[in-house]
Amino acid sequence: QTVVTQEPSFSVSPGGTVTLTCGLSSDSVSTSYYPSWYQQTPGQAPRTLIYNTNTRSSGVPDRFSGSILGNKAALTITGAQADDESDYYCVLYMGSGIWVFGGGTKLTVL
Amino acid sequence: EVQLLDSGGGLVQPGGSLRLSCAASGFTFSSYPMSWVRQAPGKGLEWVSHISTSGGSVYYADSVKGRFTISRDNSKNTLYLQMSSLRAEDAAVYYCARRGLPLGYWYFDLWGRGTLVTVSS
Repeated sequence: QTVVTQEPSFSVSPGGTVTLTCGLSSDSVSTSYYPSWYQQTPGQAPRTLIYNTNTRSSGVPDRFSGSILGNKAALTITGAQADDESDYYCVLYMGSGIWVFGGGTKLTVL
Repeated sequence: EVQLLDSGGGLVQPGGSLRLSCAASGFTFSSYPMSWVRQAPGKGLEWVSHISTSGGSVYYADSVKGRFTISRDNSKNTLYLQMSSLRAEDAAVYYCARRGLPLGYWYFDLWGRGTLVTVSS
């Protein structure tokens, strides 16, 4: 069974930089998995941040960036703001019409 | 306005059935593949099912295969999820999600607000 791994929680100071990662239990994450990232606040639908590894969705501030770091996909927030406090999910495309989400990272800004 | 409106959730007994709908507006629905994604209370997102633009290709997570059926009616701009043999672990908020373009990029670019399914006797 394919498992996509994310840090359960992370904290960052206002104005600081944080990198969240997205790994695979059985392989290295590459661009071939088309990693994408979503932000979700409680009670709200997810919001698309990054797709195709590093392309920002329309209207997403440039303090959000995506990349491959080592064998994982990464979401970096530079200059974190209070309203960045959210849950962040990555999802990988496995092929054959199948996606797998990571367990999500709860980001605290304090 | 470009939007997806999920509906059809509610309380159902274990073993029961329910049909969810997702009404699309503001864009050419027939040009977009669509998915259902769910989120159990206090848990993360889980991809459930996906359907091609024509409805000719469908895909399911192992957790729902054989019990759920995804379909679409492009003339009504509506996506459906027929759920049967429901279990307690199927209780979740169900979101419909539009697959983003270009089609070579595998991601979701538009989400419904979600509809809550509760499975309990």
